[in-house]
Amino acid sequence: NAGVTQTPKFRVLKTGQSMTLLCAQDMNHEYMYWYRQDPGMGLRLIHYSVGEGTTAKGEVPDGYNVSRLKKQNFLLGLESAAPSQTSVYFCASSLTTGAEAFFGQGTRLTVV
Amino acid sequence: TQLLEQSPQFLSIQEGENLTVYCNSSSVFSSLQWYRQEPGEGPVLLVTVVTGGEVKKLKRLTFQFGDARKDSSLHITAAQPGDTGLYLCAGISMDSNYQLIWGAGTKLIIKP
Repeated sequence: NAGVTQTPKFRVLKTGQSMTLLCAQDMNHEYMYWYRQDPGMGLRLIHYSVGEGTTAKGEVPDGYNVSRLKKQNFLLGLESAAPSQTSVYFCASSLTTGAEAFFGQGTRLTVV
Repeated sequence: TQLLEQSPQFLSIQEGENLTVYCNSSSVFSSLQWYRQEPGEGPVLLVTVVTGGEVKKLKRLTFQFGDARKDSSLHITAAQPGDTGLYLCAGISMDSNYQLIWGAGTKLIIKP
């Protein structure tokens, strides 16, 4: 049972570089989320999707873009990385809003 | 402004002791979830409470939802080193546009 799979697990970027974080879920969930987790601040929602082809902004969307071309995949893009985007990024999925959220193992991103 | 306030932020106790951690808000929640997160992993759901005054037990862990559905507590009896982790509460409310919002977490260390 793969659940939610994130790639890569670690990445170091230079300021101004771009990258895409990949998230895949095999539970046929409609809802998918991207969070960032910083010390003392809990999980903050970046963007989310309520179904294939739809995306919406969360609490901290600036500097990020997302796409949900297929139901099982949710991509998070950083067009021009900044040191403030150094964080641990988590993808999650759920059947509906408020249902149990299943998380990937996280991506530790450092922007230098 | 954090809609969900968790306390304490950090707790370090000896094996065998009891402890309680809290999750408080001025908002009313339709449901509240507790997750545990271990280092290098994503959060994993422990329990969901939905009814004011509800009490749920999971082995040595007791979860309570406040009567007014604005707060919750997690009590651990005879803590074990395996209970070490970051405990996060998350909830759904009208004030969060029915998106899951997260507390900052309580980092718990149980010393053998």
